[in-house]
Amino acid sequence: DVKVTQSSRYLVKRTGEKVFLECVQDMDHENMFWYRQDPGLGLRLIYFSYDVKMKEKGDIPEGYSVSREKKERFSLILESASTNQTSMYLCASSMLGGRNTGELFFGEGSRLTVL
Amino acid sequence: KNEVEQSPQNLTAQEGEFITINCSYSVGISALHWLQQHPGGGIVSLFMLSSGKKKHGRLIATINIQEKHSSLHITASHPRDSAVYICAVRSSSNYKLTFGKGTLLTVNP
Repeated sequence: DVKVTQSSRYLVKRTGEKVFLECVQDMDHENMFWYRQDPGLGLRLIYFSYDVKMKEKGDIPEGYSVSREKKERFSLILESASTNQTSMYLCASSMLGGRNTGELFFGEGSRLTVL
Repeated sequence: KNEVEQSPQNLTAQEGEFITINCSYSVGISALHWLQQHPGGGIVSLFMLSSGKKKHGRLIATINIQEKHSSLHITASHPRDSAVYICAVRSSSNYKLTFGKGTLLTVNP
């Protein structure tokens, strides 16, 4: 089974802190995604990566950056956390090419609270 | 801009009932996903389809490309089916997914 693992299920940080959210997938998927999920707003794409060192902005990239130094790992960075970044963060991966192109696999989510 | 509308927003059923959740979208798509999220949990992909119908156990997903509409059906519903069901579509013009806001299903014993 494909596994997408997020480093922390729950985090509490203070305003202004630098926050790292890590995501690792074990199926050699090319595509990796970071979403945030907020009540009433659904899932919104923050950043997308289709290969090592490649990234594209999603719908709400402001206040976030990402890093993909290895194919299996996609990190989301909050340079200076703010209270409006309190949210559930979900990482996902998908294959590129083949019969199952685009099928999504999600991690368990990281619930971040910024005080 | 692609809009994805799900209905109903909330649905309560008795165990054993047949459930239908609907998803409508506004632009051409290359694929549509149905996802399931249990409370406090991660998201699981149920189906990815671009035409016709798919079945997995008690779950059936259909899509009508001409009408830009998809339905997720659950036969013989069970309390463990209680979850949020999310529809997401991939535009035919790019890689991005647009998500519906989800349907909260509660199945009572």
